[in-house]
Amino acid sequence: NAGVTQTPKFQVLKTGQSMTLQCAQDMNHNSMYWYRQDPGMGLRLIYYSASEGTTDKGEVPNGYNVSRLNKREFSLRLESAAPSQTSVYFCASSPGGGGDTEAFFGQGTRLTVV
Amino acid sequence: QKEVEQDPGPLSVPEGAIVSLNCTYSNSAFQYFMWYRQYSRKGPELLMYTYSSGNKEDGRFTAQVDKSSKYISLFIRDSQPSDSATYLCAMSGDGWGKLQFGAGTQVVVTP
Repeated sequence: NAGVTQTPKFQVLKTGQSMTLQCAQDMNHNSMYWYRQDPGMGLRLIYYSASEGTTDKGEVPNGYNVSRLNKREFSLRLESAAPSQTSVYFCASSPGGGGDTEAFFGQGTRLTVV
Repeated sequence: QKEVEQDPGPLSVPEGAIVSLNCTYSNSAFQYFMWYRQYSRKGPELLMYTYSSGNKEDGRFTAQVDKSSKYISLFIRDSQPSDSATYLCAMSGDGWGKLQFGAGTQVVVTP
């Protein structure tokens, strides 16, 4: 029972490099989310997708883009990485809609930008 | 000013003690209140949730919400070393996934 799977688990980038963080869920959820977690800041919402085909900005979207590839997959792209984007990134999913309940989180991607 | 304030700790207690955690918030539109537990290098997992005001109990855990004071609490009775983790409060006005999190409180339960 995989739940929410994130790849890669660890990544080191040089400033200016690009990369895509992948997320897939196998719970047939409609809604998916990307958060970042920084020390002393808790988790902050970057982008979310309420349903397949839609995406919206969260609290801290600058420097990121997202793609809802299909119902299962939601990717986060850093076009030109900056040291300020060093963080732990979490993907989450929830059923969404009127029957929305608990959001389930993946294990995280630890990203360091040097 | 953050919408959700939470003391980061660490909070160290002896095994068997009651752990008391709390958060304050400023947005009166919040209706969903949750507590997540996060073990080191793992993703958060939902521990308790409450819709609107009131108390909720689940085994050793009790969650309380006081919307008039904009204050939520989590109590852990008979704490165990396995309860050592970071506890994050989270809240939302319109759903379960678009959450505002507190900074998290690190709890250490010593045998």
